[in-house]
Amino acid sequence: GQSLEQPSEVTAVEGAIVQINCTYQTSGFYGLSWYQQHDGGAPTFLSYNALDGLEETGRFSSFLSRSDSYGYLLLQELQMKDSASYFCAVLNSGAGSYQLTFGKGTKLSVIP
Amino acid sequence: GAVVSQHPSWVICKSGTSVKIECRSLDFQATTMFWYRQFPKQSLMLMATSNEGSKATYEQGVEKDKFLINHASLTLSTLTVTSAHPEDSSFYICSAKTSLPTLDSNVQETQYFGPGTRLLVL
Repeated sequence: GQSLEQPSEVTAVEGAIVQINCTYQTSGFYGLSWYQQHDGGAPTFLSYNALDGLEETGRFSSFLSRSDSYGYLLLQELQMKDSASYFCAVLNSGAGSYQLTFGKGTKLSVIP
Repeated sequence: GAVVSQHPSWVICKSGTSVKIECRSLDFQATTMFWYRQFPKQSLMLMATSNEGSKATYEQGVEKDKFLINHASLTLSTLTVTSAHPEDSSFYICSAKTSLPTLDSNVQETQYFGPGTRLLVL
């Protein structure tokens, strides 16, 4: 089966930088995705890494190390609106199709 | 970007009734759709994978006779919760994808999520 580990909660100050780590164990690994979910809403896509290294998209960056089965999401210049849950998700092949398996999520609280 | 809609957004029903939730890809054809369930303060749990024109593949522990999935076209999948009970109350979210992922590119390989349907069974 698959398993993902990420911290359950993180608190950071507005304007700061925060890194949310994710380690995973899976077979048929294709890539690692990150999703943001505000309370009461559906997940929204943030990033996807299939290759090792850092992928930057505005204030958000995502990193993957396939050899270490590890990735992280980096949020810079934190804003209050970034307070949300962040899920890492492994894209892997199985049962003849491709599917996402989500971690339990990290609740980020941005404080003034 | 790609848009996925779900209908209805909210459902309140009596125990024992059946509820149908629709998931539509509005501006693309979705070869594969996924149905997730999320309980409060928990992660999304995959219920089933649905490929157009074929039977859905259910995850372990998900009763296929209780959660009926139909993927009749490339833009529509439905989830029917049959004989709903209070423990079925949850946030049901569908997602859709089109392309196959590759191992050599960070080109966006993602599932597009619908806005979700909140089901409350009394």
